[in-house]
Order: sequence, then C-alpha cells, then structure tokens
Amino acid sequence: DIVVTQSPLSLPVTPGEPASISCRSSQSLLYSNGYNSVSWYLQKPGQSPQLLIYLASHRASGVPDRFSGSDSGTDFTLKISRVEAEDVGVYYCMQTLQTPYTFGQGTRLEIK
Amino acid sequence: QVHLEESGGVLVKPGGSLRLSCAASGFPFGEHYMTWFRQAPGKGLEWVASIDTRGRILDYADAVKGRFTLSRDNAENSLFLQMNSLRAEDTGIYYCARGRYCGTVTCYTGAEYFQHWGRGTLVAVSS
Repeated sequence: DIVVTQSPLSLPVTPGEPASISCRSSQSLLYSNGYNSVSWYLQKPGQSPQLLIYLASHRASGVPDRFSGSDSGTDFTLKISRVEAEDVGVYYCMQTLQTPYTFGQGTRLEIK
Repeated sequence: QVHLEESGGVLVKPGGSLRLSCAASGFPFGEHYMTWFRQAPGKGLEWVASIDTRGRILDYADAVKGRFTLSRDNAENSLFLQMNSLRAEDTGIYYCARGRYCGTVTCYTGAEYFQHWGRGTLVAVSS
C-alpha cells in the first residue's frame, strides 16, 4: 500500500497569516496523464469532507484562491496564503494512484 | 445540484449485518464511478470500496474484503454497501462520494478525486 505521511498534525495559525501543510508519499504518484494523483480535502467540524485541490495543484470549483497546491517529486504541499476563521478544521491529503486509496493522518488547523 | 444521501446506519451487535444505501440525484448517476469512505470516531478518513459505472468492483479495503459487498442500481440512482460479520472496528460514519465521469462517449481518464460527498450515516457495532 502507498503510505502518505502528513505534517504537521496540529497547526495553530493567527488570522491573516499564511499556513502550509505537507504530505509525503512512499512512492511516485505520477499518473499516466502527467499529473500527480493527489487531492486535498478540508473537513470542517461536524461536516463531511470538501474537495479543495485535485491533481495536486488544481483548485476545485468554488474554493477561494488563497488555497493553492504544489508538488515536487513525492512531496506535496497545500498552502493557505492568509488564514481566515472559516478555514478551521482538519485537512487531509489523499492519493488515488492505486487502490487502496490512502489518506494522510490529517492536520488540525486552529485559530490562535 | 448534486446530492448524495446515505441511510441505513444503526446500532448493531458484533457479527450482525447491515445494508447502507446512498441515494443520488442531480447528476447522471449511471455515468459516474462511486466510492464509500468511512471515519471511525475521532479518527481520520479511510477508503472502503469503489465501483465503476457498470457495477464492476474496483477493489475493497483489506479490512472489509470478504465481509462487505458493494453494488449499485443505476435505474434507481442508488449505491449500496452490504456489511456482514460486523466488528467493533467497523464503527464510524460512512460516506458515499461521487467519482470519475465515464459516459458512453467519453470517459475521464485522469486520476480520481471526489468533489461530492454525502453527509454520512453512522454505523455503531456494539454489544
């Protein structure tokens, strides 16, 4: 199985400040179409997950442009340029190169 | 507007069975792969199983293989998860999610991702 290691697990951030979450894969996640098979999700308290980023760097419809995704080999990063109060929740990266699809452990973002 | 609604979650004893349903609307259900995920209390997300548009199973998670059966009824716009020999560790919220588009003419061939999720249904396995 592909192991996805996410860090940090906890991320306290002051509103207006940037935030960054990393995921590292145990193997290449490069799909046949040249894009990495990584997506990022935010699960707000009491809600189901919502898609933020797909194919490592493509912002999903309706997602604010303060969210961005990038990749470098087997390292993947989600960045929030200026954190807002509504960004609180748990962030997950997920690989879908092969089954079993696997998630990172989750990063809990909280407001300082 | 895409809508997914899970149902069927209840309290069941270990060794028991349960059938979860996911009712879909707002999109051509028969032209999308579908997937179940789950989340144990206070834990992270876990992929359970995926199915293609024709009802062929992509795969099951090892933890449920041989006990869970995924199926779909495209005429009824519904996805099902038959859960047998339930264990305490199967406790959690079960989410259905819409996967890739694959119609009669075109098929998305990129990596899978999940833009639409249901609100989930709670399964509790306890004596």
